[in-house]
Amino acid sequence: QQQVKQSPQSLIVQKGGISIINCAYENTAFDYFPWYQQFPGKGPALLIAIRPDVSEKKEGRFTISFNKSAKQFSLHIMDSQPGDSATYFCAGTGGAQKLVFGQGTRLTINP
Amino acid sequence: NAGVTQTPKFRILKIGQSMTLQCAQDMNHNYMYWYRQDPGMGLKLIYYSVGAGITDKGEVPNGYNVSRSTTEDFPLRLELAAPSQTSVYFCASMTGGPNTEAFFGQGTRLTVV
Repeated sequence: QQQVKQSPQSLIVQKGGISIINCAYENTAFDYFPWYQQFPGKGPALLIAIRPDVSEKKEGRFTISFNKSAKQFSLHIMDSQPGDSATYFCAGTGGAQKLVFGQGTRLTINP
Repeated sequence: NAGVTQTPKFRILKIGQSMTLQCAQDMNHNYMYWYRQDPGMGLKLIYYSVGAGITDKGEVPNGYNVSRSTTEDFPLRLELAAPSQTSVYFCASMTGGPNTEAFFGQGTRLTVV
């Protein structure tokens, strides 16, 4: 079963625009929601993460918004740059440390 | 600092052959994971381990086996390879606990023909 659903599957944004990727989770035992960034030919790397006791976390141009009641969270990339072009994965994990990923979003930033 | 090391990087198998994908980490992490990533698809959890001697199934365990005899190593065994197992395989390790981070290997690209 897919415990974390991610959309859209692909996204094209103009340089300087805002990129938004959405995720929804089913497992209420999840208490940690990271986002990973993957460049071609590489393994994913942690970008930013949030716990459900806060509604927003910002690191530079990257912001996570979290809605616990709706079981949804999203990644916003402000002032998107060509170097942000990559595949982004949301994920969830809980006490059992079973790390489950969404389907991924291929982001392309056009110059 | 090597982090998570996967071998081999590439492999072509014939249908019915078996092989072991190796994964080693030098960060003393308790938690280790195996994922497969199909083209244009997400990361699907095959097996994971919360410590030496303890393993559990993920979302897609059929056709695979794992063992965890040491903290450092977490090999993935493919028995009777099938074309459906053509994929990129990633191993990851994680400390666990609050604000944890998973570290991934570079991946193994496996083709079954």
